Amino acid sequence: QVQLVESGGGVVQPGRSLRLSCAASGFTFSSYAIHWVRQAPGKGLEWVAVISYDGSSKYYADSVKGRFTISRDDSKNTVYLQMNSLRIEDTAVYYCAREDWGIAAAGTLEGTYNWFDPWGQGTLVTVSS
Amino acid sequence: DIQMTQSPSSLSTSVGDRVTITCRASQTINNYLVWYQHKPGKAPKVLIYAASSLQSGVPSRFSGSASGTGFTLTISSLQPEDFATYYCQQTYSAPYTFGQGTKLEIK
Repeated sequence: QVQLVESGGGVVQPGRSLRLSCAASGFTFSSYAIHWVRQAPGKGLEWVAVISYDGSSKYYADSVKGRFTISRDDSKNTVYLQMNSLRIEDTAVYYCAREDWGIAAAGTLEGTYNWFDPWGQGTLVTVSS
Repeated sequence: DIQMTQSPSSLSTSVGDRVTITCRASQTINNYLVWYQHKPGKAPKVLIYAASSLQSGVPSRFSGSASGTGFTLTISSLQPEDFATYYCQQTYSAPYTFGQGTKLEIK
């Protein structure tokens, strides 16, 4: 079945680095954009980054821009999130999610709409001294 | 960046209640609005996309509507498995911002 599995989380000191992986299966990986979303303890969901289906476009949240890098290896059906200069406030469960899309009529606006599905189960990153 | 303002932040409700959650975008998003359900320790689950389209497999008691930059998620008759946190998200442009979330609690 369609599945995403995150790995690479753990405990790391402030200022250090960590690389998360998101392994995909059950679908044509090279046809989909993949996102990272995080949830800090007791907080809501925060979008982090996206990489397009072909890797040509990448976008980041301001909170991680310049510190995090998203990449993909289609030969391994895997997306990575390289996290450098980690801060206490980066502590969170990190989820990867596939961007799916379809045709819908939203009121009078018919077009191609997108959503995140599926999501992985998440991997916990704890930044602490 | 587009800001998503969701309310209420929490709601004390009972099984069988009709529940309405609202979300407002800071600018037009042309109905690129998604609703998710999130339970602790689980992956978020998409309920509604394109503001009002029900995701396959989602019960029909969930519905979404839109009016300009305002959006509503309605649960017509709350079931025990619906106690969770709900988020709206705009997928119109990056960064794909979420609302702050609405936690449904048992009264």
